[in-house]
Amino acid sequence: DQQVKQNSPSLSVQEGRISILNCDYTNSMFDYFLWYKKYPAEGPTFLISISSIKDKNEDGRFTVFLNKSAKHLSLHIVPSQPGDSAVYFCAARRRIQGAQKLVFGQGTRLTINP
Amino acid sequence: NAGVMQNPRHLVRRRGQEARLRCSPMKGHSHVYWYRQLPEEGLKFMVYLQKENIIDESGMPKERFSAEFPKEGPSILRIQQVVRGDSAAYFCASSFSIQETQYFGPGTRLLVL
Repeated sequence: DQQVKQNSPSLSVQEGRISILNCDYTNSMFDYFLWYKKYPAEGPTFLISISSIKDKNEDGRFTVFLNKSAKHLSLHIVPSQPGDSAVYFCAARRRIQGAQKLVFGQGTRLTINP
Repeated sequence: NAGVMQNPRHLVRRRGQEARLRCSPMKGHSHVYWYRQLPEEGLKFMVYLQKENIIDESGMPKERFSAEFPKEGPSILRIQQVVRGDSAAYFCASSFSIQETQYFGPGTRLLVL
């Protein structure tokens, strides 16, 4: 039961252009959504998050959009830079009885071409 | 401010041996989470602990796996009698509170021969 899905395993974008990474979820009980970036042989690094009561959050070059009716969120990176090349994971948080748990998508490998 | 520390970074075990993975949370964090990542997959939640308590172990296999977070010292993920299917990257994360963001360590890559 894949509650969080990233349907694009990979994405290639030209340097300076916009990168758009997408994520879909099925569980309405998620209260927070997060994006993590991961380089090979390292742990995921937190990028940006959004509460389920918001529809947009912006931090520098990174903006996350949430469409609750469509159960869809996206991460926009503009302008894209070579250092942005990494695997990006979408994660959804669920809180149950005093515990929090993150459910991750499968990841999208972003490659920024010079 | 040091981040989440995990050791060892790489661990090789033969089938049937025990694997012990350690995680030291960020300073001031008392909530620890363990995740497993199989090749070409996302991270899967295993267990959530606070000091001396297991809060949620719904993602832990029922046998051979155990976790602890003692009053003093790091959190330990223990895998007894390892099998080849246990080969994966194991990530630990910590948070300041239940509402706060989880920050991840660099992971331990376990290879079972």
